[in-house]
Amino acid sequence: DADVTQTPRNRITKTGKRIMLECSQTKGHDRMYWYRQDPGLGLRLIYYSFDVKDINKGEISDGYSVSRQAQAKFSLSLESAIPNQTALYFCATSGVAGETQYFGPGTRLLVL
Amino acid sequence: QKEVEQDPGPLSVPEGAIVSLNCTYSNSAFQYFMWYRQYSRKGPELLMYTYSSGNKEDGRFTAQVDKSSKYISLFIRDSQPSDSATYLCASQKGVTGGGNKLTFGTGTQLKVEL
Repeated sequence: DADVTQTPRNRITKTGKRIMLECSQTKGHDRMYWYRQDPGLGLRLIYYSFDVKDINKGEISDGYSVSRQAQAKFSLSLESAIPNQTALYFCATSGVAGETQYFGPGTRLLVL
Repeated sequence: QKEVEQDPGPLSVPEGAIVSLNCTYSNSAFQYFMWYRQYSRKGPELLMYTYSSGNKEDGRFTAQVDKSSKYISLFIRDSQPSDSATYLCASQKGVTGGGNKLTFGTGTQLKVEL
């Protein structure tokens, strides 16, 4: 089984809808991250969490919120989706040392 | 200006060629440097990791960092079609506190042709 899983893998939604992307990990890591990837812009950090009680905004947090339900689970929400949130979303985890991040398979989101 | 710059390619080489992939960075506080490989429709996976300046070799792959010129390189020897992927360079300031946030380049798409 994969160490970092993301659901759903693909999602099409409409402008204004609320959507949640979920991430689970079995690596036992404390640190979890959400990124989005866009052509020509690379991977950009949305939010990160160093433990269940620690949530931090990343480079591009506007329009997004997160919830760290447990050490192993970190969810990303789009409260009111807009077309420019169409992107590939990745969850990642790392240990306390933090030098290596392990990525999930990604969620491809299309907002119409 | 992005903190980590990378030529997006695409780069096409024949099988067996030596491939050189490069990045530049602007933040002098960066101490850790990584190369990730991303196959189509997959998440990035860590390929190489180096601390500060110097070289690191792992099989056919060599990572090189020159902090004086803020230059990051990845060399692939005897390239194979299975090396066809997007290669992302990344840097971070430290491994504790907020320092371990990664800053990525945009990625270079590599195709190794038979």
